[in-house]
Amino acid sequence: GQQVMQIPQYQHVQEGEDFTTYCNSSTTLSNIQWYKQRPGGHPVFLIQLVKSGEVKKQKRLTFQFGEAKKNSSLHITATQTTDVGTYFCAGPYSGAGSYQLTFGKGTKLSVTP
Amino acid sequence: NAGVTQTPKFQVLKTGQSMTLQCAQDMNHEYMSWYRQDPGMGLRLIHYSVGAGITDQGEVPNGYNVSRSTTEDFPLRLLSAAPSQTSVYFCASRKGGKLFFGSGTQLSVL
Repeated sequence: GQQVMQIPQYQHVQEGEDFTTYCNSSTTLSNIQWYKQRPGGHPVFLIQLVKSGEVKKQKRLTFQFGEAKKNSSLHITATQTTDVGTYFCAGPYSGAGSYQLTFGKGTKLSVTP
Repeated sequence: NAGVTQTPKFQVLKTGQSMTLQCAQDMNHEYMSWYRQDPGMGLRLIHYSVGAGITDQGEVPNGYNVSRSTTEDFPLRLLSAAPSQTSVYFCASRKGGKLFFGSGTQLSVL
């Protein structure tokens, strides 16, 4: 079945260090989305990438979509304690009548002040 | 707008009991879905609906039933709870490809 693999599973950094999480799909994706879940919270949409090679920035967060549209990354520059949480990528896969979003297992980020 | 509202927030069941997790959205989204989240497993799709009267199975549908009589509501039913159904359950609606999640229900089955 469709799979979205995400690494690493956990990442611990000192505040101010950079952080990157990677997402790989077994098939070509029409787009990829990223979500953030704070501890005890629910996933919240961050961004959607659609074009091959696309790069988008949100303040200290940089999102990339690979040229082959099978991989993506999220890079955080100079992490802060507010970045703590689990980051998920999600790709759409076609089902009967509609597409479904399949999530990676997430990367849990912890930040030490 | 309240967005996606889930009730209850916490629930403890005994094996074999039944219950319904409620989900309501006020954004008039046609698509709604249920995910379960287990440690190290990410979010897995249980059931989804593309509109009132239409439902379909996701990746892990066994042990769960759904119905969609209105656009607003999408309840998830556990007919005979099992310990393997201990999890956090999220309801989500979708618009423009983007998922809007409820705050979740933490369910424990003893």
